[in-house]
Amino acid sequence: QQQVKQSPQSLIVQKGGISIINCAYENTAFDYFPWYQQFPGKGPALLIAIRPDVSEKKEGRFTISFNKSAKQFSLHIMDSQPGDSATYFCAAKGEYGNKLVFGAGTILRVKS
Amino acid sequence: DGGITQSPKYLFRKEGQNVTLSCEQNLNHDAMYWYRQDPGQGLRLIYYSQIVNDFQKGDIAEGYSVSREKKESFPLTVTSAQKNPTAFYLCASSARVLGTYEQYFGPGTRLTVT
Repeated sequence: QQQVKQSPQSLIVQKGGISIINCAYENTAFDYFPWYQQFPGKGPALLIAIRPDVSEKKEGRFTISFNKSAKQFSLHIMDSQPGDSATYFCAAKGEYGNKLVFGAGTILRVKS
Repeated sequence: DGGITQSPKYLFRKEGQNVTLSCEQNLNHDAMYWYRQDPGQGLRLIYYSQIVNDFQKGDIAEGYSVSREKKESFPLTVTSAQKNPTAFYLCASSARVLGTYEQYFGPGTRLTVT
């Protein structure tokens, strides 16, 4: 079964610090890797995404690092803020269709 | 406003009853999805539909059924055969345009079965 393994399960970071969430996958046919952010009681929303031909993508304080040979990708949140406290999901898309496989999620809490 | 609506936000049912969750989108998306979210397990795909009148089972389809009679609507029925139906259910949609992969999610329905 296709899987995406996400770690850590939960994370506490001080305001202004760097939050790092990691994901690993097995299926080399995955061709799109998004990160979603979910606030309590809400649906997830796309935060940032990367294709495997790129090693890094940055949007504001959010950066995805992608290591194709290791089959790993990570989300870095720079200057973490209390408003970033949410659950973050990594995901991966197979080469056909738009079906996504999600990681188990990371609950981030940024302490002020 | 374009988006996905799910209703109701909270739903309570007695064990043994079937229940239907509503999902409507006005984004003109061809593809729609149903996910189940449980603590610590991420989002698991129940059913998905790439086009009207067609749908496929996801990873955990047992005890669920869907229909796709209209492009805008993709209702999910949780049947009495679903052994553990209490969960947060999320509907999503995406365009079927090459290079466009983002899934847009609705606000979810929290179902409690007692």
